[in-house]
Amino acid sequence: NAGVTQTPKFQVLKTGQSMTLQCAQDMNHNSMYWYRQDPGMGLRLIYYSASEGTTDKGEVPNGYNVSRLNKREFSLRLESAAPSQTSVYFCASSETGSIGYTFGSGTRLTVV
Amino acid sequence: KQEVTQIPAALSVPEGENLVLNCSFTDSAIYNLQWFRQDPGKGLTSLLLIQSSQREQTSGRLNASLDKSSGRSTLYIAASQPGDSATYLCAVFQGAQKLVFGQGTRLTINP
Repeated sequence: NAGVTQTPKFQVLKTGQSMTLQCAQDMNHNSMYWYRQDPGMGLRLIYYSASEGTTDKGEVPNGYNVSRLNKREFSLRLESAAPSQTSVYFCASSETGSIGYTFGSGTRLTVV
Repeated sequence: KQEVTQIPAALSVPEGENLVLNCSFTDSAIYNLQWFRQDPGKGLTSLLLIQSSQREQTSGRLNASLDKSSGRSTLYIAASQPGDSATYLCAVFQGAQKLVFGQGTRLTINP
């Protein structure tokens, strides 16, 4: 099925460990996004990529880095995980204009 | 800064009722507006996308309206069913691409 695929679905990290969340889309969308969802805070934009080769900060970028590897893939890296980064992370993609967003199923990350 | 508010935060109604979920936003210079559904522990499923030039969109039992001048959108669900139980999220496009989300309305339909 066409859509946005995220891996892994679940992850537990110790404070200070690093990891990369992977995201791939097969809809040929130009734009990709990373959001985090926290209780009481809603979904907040971490980073986005308007097109291959470009990335920009969103609302809450501190502690994260991203790579737009190609048009299909957009990864999110935590260099030194902190308990405050415990959250559910969603990747999404869109085509500029009228089509709207398509979301992946999320990665539940716990930092202990 | 764009802020999106959804009222009520939670709603419980008996099966068969028609209901309205509300969404308001502070900056009327939005591009588009999108309604999503999220089931517990799951991702977001797109329900309806309203472009800035449109006033409403319909899909089955769902109808979403948009009034940019007043900064409001509503999602109308007709003849509610237990399967409609979920959290409904409203999001506005800030510029052409970035979505700003409300915190959602948790809807429970009682059989």
